[in-house]
Formats: sequence, C-alpha cells, structure tokens
Amino acid sequence: KNQVEQSPQSLIILEGKNCTLQCNYTVSPFSNLRWYKQDTGRGPVSLTIMTFSENTKSNGRYTATLDADTKQSSLHITASQLSDSASYICVVSGSGGSYIPTFGRGTSLIVHP
Amino acid sequence: EPEVTQTPSHQVTQMGQEVILRCVPISNHLYFYWYRQILGQKVEFLVSFYNNEISEKSEIFDDQFSVERPDGSNFTLKIRSTKLEDSAMYFCASHEEGPRGTQYFGPGTRLLVL
Repeated sequence: KNQVEQSPQSLIILEGKNCTLQCNYTVSPFSNLRWYKQDTGRGPVSLTIMTFSENTKSNGRYTATLDADTKQSSLHITASQLSDSASYICVVSGSGGSYIPTFGRGTSLIVHP
Repeated sequence: EPEVTQTPSHQVTQMGQEVILRCVPISNHLYFYWYRQILGQKVEFLVSFYNNEISEKSEIFDDQFSVERPDGSNFTLKIRSTKLEDSAMYFCASHEEGPRGTQYFGPGTRLLVL
C-alpha cells in the first residue's frame, strides 16, 4: 500500500531560524513529489514539484530535496517568518497508469516572534 | 492572478439529502480534481477529470458521488444521499498541463452533515 510519512508531526521555532521537514514514502513506481503549504481552513498551495531526476528545487526561502533511491524528501525553510506558520504537506504520485496522489498527514509548523 | 473558486464556502445539510458543491477552475486549465479533508485528518483524493470524463477515482468515490462539467466553466461534485461521515472540507483543484503540472486548489467548501 502506498504511504507517505512525515516528521516531525509538529515543530515550533523562533522567527528567523531555519528548519527542515522530512518526508518518507513507499509509493512505487514513482512519478513526482510535491510539497504544499496549507494555512488553517484554506486550500493547499504548491511550493515545489520534483520528478525522479531532480535532486533539489528551490522556491524562494523553500528548498526541497529528493533522494529517489532511499525514497526520502526534505523541505528546508530558511530565515523563517511568522507567515510560515502553517501545515506543510508532502504528496507523492505514482506512475504506470495511476497518478492518484498519496498525501502525508503534514507537519504543523509554528513560528514564534 | 487567476484562482480556483468554490461555492458555497459552507453548507449544512441533513443526512440523506443531496448536495452539490460547485467549483470554477482556472479558465485555461484542462485537468480537474476533487479532494476531501476530514477535520484533523489528511487530504484524500476523490476523483480526477479530463476531457469530460473521469480519469481516476479513489475507493472513497463510490456510487453516491458524481462529477459533472455542465458548461465551459463549472465543475461540480454531487453527493446523492449524504451521510454523517461525509462531513469534511471539500477542495477542488485544477491545472493546465499533464499529471505533473502545478495544481491550484480552491478555498474549499466546508460540508456539515447533521
């Protein structure tokens, strides 16, 4: 069964600090991995999309990495801001006829002033 | 900036009633999706739609669910006979390119079944 596991479940950091969120998956065959930011009560917003051949992708202060061999990804947030407080969701889609995405439960990030 | 819109933002209904959730995807997008998120749980895929037909659907998307693109702009999700466990936030999403394109989510419809 395809699974996406994220850690930590929640994280509290001070404004200006960096942090790294982890995602492990068992989806196979693999098509792409996406990171989303979801504010409370809102729809997810796409941060990055990576395919099998991509090891890293940046979007402003967000940098995602992918190791397709170990089936791991990370999302690094640099110089955190109060507005970064949200849930960060890892989503993995398969290939080979089915692109149904598997969502992780998300990491809840709180940035304190 | 173009965005996906959804109506209503909130809906309360009685168990057994039919509900229709509406979405207006971004105008040049070709791929459409419905997801749901039960309170406190992860987002779950319901169905994908392309070229006026369902591309894929999950186990959740049983016979009481249906989707339709009644005109060139709207994309609807119908739940024929709602159950208590259908209470959730329902998100519509769309994108322009193939399955690897950036998906844009709407703000969601919060459905409460009493």
